[in-house]
Amino acid sequence: AQSVTQLDSQVPVFEEAPVELRCNYSSSVSVYLFWYVQYPNQGLQLLLKYLSGSTLVKGINGFEAEFNKSQTSFHLRKPSVHISDTAEYFCAARGSQGNLIFGKGTKLSVKP
Amino acid sequence: NAGVTQTPKFQVLKTGQSMTLQCAQDMNHEYMSWYRQDPGMGLRLIHYSVGAGITDQGEVPNGYNVSRSTTEDFPLRLLSAAPSQTSVYFCASTQAGSRGYEQYFGPGTRLTVT
Repeated sequence: AQSVTQLDSQVPVFEEAPVELRCNYSSSVSVYLFWYVQYPNQGLQLLLKYLSGSTLVKGINGFEAEFNKSQTSFHLRKPSVHISDTAEYFCAARGSQGNLIFGKGTKLSVKP
Repeated sequence: NAGVTQTPKFQVLKTGQSMTLQCAQDMNHEYMSWYRQDPGMGLRLIHYSVGAGITDQGEVPNGYNVSRSTTEDFPLRLLSAAPSQTSVYFCASTQAGSRGYEQYFGPGTRLTVT
């Protein structure tokens, strides 16, 4: 079955610390991979995407992700987080119906 | 260029009522879809359409109908609302076959069924 797994439902971190949000995908999904961010009571905004090429993908707001085919992972990282990064983050893969298959989300809470 | 728009933003229904959630996009995208978001569940696909006149079911289609008479509009109908349909609904669109495969999301409709 096609699936995307986000290993942490909540990640608390202090301001200016580094953070990694983990994502694994099943081998049955395409390797078109995405990270979206959702701020409270808002819609989804694309952070970054991997389609092909370099395995290190840079996105908006200082985020980056690394595609690892052997580990079927697409972890999201930021070297120094800000209070404003507090949000829910979703990893997704393109499914066979042209849709996105989402993980269940990781709530990042940045504390001062 | 408004992108993807959804109306209403909020709605409260009583069990058994019907309603239509509206979705429109002005990017001439062929592919449109509806998702529902529930706490701890991520987003799940309800229905999708690859072009005018063509729709298909996603992961959780029961209790919902869609139609696609134009490229721009993709309404979602709740036939007889149930409390289990309390959720946040997102409409999305993308250009089928586009290199980016990026889906653009609307702002969402928060629906409560009592």
